[in-house]
Amino acid sequence: NAGVTQTPKFRILKIGQSMTLQCAQDMNHNYMYWYRQDPGMGLKLIYYSVGAGITDKGEVPNGYNVSRSTTEDFPLRLELAAPSQTSVYFCASNNELAKNIQYFGAGTRLSVL
Amino acid sequence: AQTVTQSQPEMSVQEAETVTLSCTYDTSESNYYLFWYKQPPSRQMILVIRQEAYKQQNATENRFSVNFQKAAKSFSLKISDSQLGDTAMYFCAFMSTRTYKYIFGTGTRLKVLA
Repeated sequence: NAGVTQTPKFRILKIGQSMTLQCAQDMNHNYMYWYRQDPGMGLKLIYYSVGAGITDKGEVPNGYNVSRSTTEDFPLRLELAAPSQTSVYFCASNNELAKNIQYFGAGTRLSVL
Repeated sequence: AQTVTQSQPEMSVQEAETVTLSCTYDTSESNYYLFWYKQPPSRQMILVIRQEAYKQQNATENRFSVNFQKAAKSFSLKISDSQLGDTAMYFCAFMSTRTYKYIFGTGTRLKVLA
């Protein structure tokens, strides 16, 4: 049972490049989330999804896009990367059976130079 | 929109002493979940304690307990008999049972001193 798997673990992008952060969970959780955590700061919600085909904006959605075609996968797309998107990105999932306790991936450290 | 506020950026406590971390939140909903998570230097998020808003009884997990004041929208965490391993960032979180939105506070960095 792998839990929540994020790839890649590290990435360096040049300004203006695009990339997709992958997130997959094998716990059959309905709800999935993307957060960013800047150094020494809290987690800010980027986007979330309550099921396949349903996504919604969080607190800081600008510059990002998501899709949820399956229950398991919730990729985060960065278009036209900017230095302000340098951060650690966490994917998380939960459902009522898990008492809505969030299970987190190990994170992706992204630098935009 | 829901918000979660942690007004103490940093705190320290002597080993074996008790410390209380504050959290306030804002919501118009009547039912929701509240959580405290711990993030050690490894960056892995670990659940500390969970509270359901419709339950008046305060949650307790071993040395960790909460003071949940629904009318005041306050959700503080008390750590008793602090241990060096409690050193970490602590985040308060809110989950809406209507939208399933999950919001975290800015965190309190706790240092337990030997």
